[in-house]
Amino acid sequence: EAGVAQSPRYKIIEKRQSVAFWCNPISGHATLYWYQQILGQGPKLLIQFQNNGVVDDSQLPKDRFSAERLKGVDSTLKIQPAKLEDSAVYLCASSSDRGMEKLFFGSGTQLSVL
Amino acid sequence: AQSVTQLGSHVSVSEGALVLLRCNYSSSVPPYLFWYVQYPNQGLQLLLKYTTGATLVKGINGFEAEFKKSETSFHLTKPSAHMSDAAEYFCAVSATGRRALTFGSGTRLQVQP
Repeated sequence: EAGVAQSPRYKIIEKRQSVAFWCNPISGHATLYWYQQILGQGPKLLIQFQNNGVVDDSQLPKDRFSAERLKGVDSTLKIQPAKLEDSAVYLCASSSDRGMEKLFFGSGTQLSVL
Repeated sequence: AQSVTQLGSHVSVSEGALVLLRCNYSSSVPPYLFWYVQYPNQGLQLLLKYTTGATLVKGINGFEAEFKKSETSFHLTKPSAHMSDAAEYFCAVSATGRRALTFGSGTRLQVQP
């Protein structure tokens, strides 16, 4: 079974630039999550999708971050404009309807904002 | 709301020694509890989870954890550390199993030869 795919693996941008991350979850997984992991901290939920609907985006900085999951499969997370404090690893995870408590994580996208 | 506190950001043990990583949680409803491991440049992997039933949970690679409601704890243990256990370990909580996980800040485990 293929795992959660994320790209790019690394991204370096300057502040005020825009950046987008892509995630393809495990086939058949209805729930998709985006987490932000700042160095030295645990992952923090940014947004949770159930199929193509948003379940929880209470911690998403909506003035600069946006996410979509068209057709309920893959997802894109965008930051516009980026700030220095956005430097982090962005993790995508997915889970099935039956085992929603078990998350499968991708390897993440490491973002450096200079 | 849920939260997790992991005591000790770094733990160092000798190979063959007992591993004990501490986790305390806060939850207004019965929690689901998890331990994840993260190796360098890899995604998080589930070690073990507690949802309901037996409070002593066994996971992969010889790890186990015990849910103690009275102490609001879910400490991770392994009787004998191996060099390959060196990684970052995260404790996490979910309220009902149908909501996203809340993670602790992590504990980096070093294993000395």
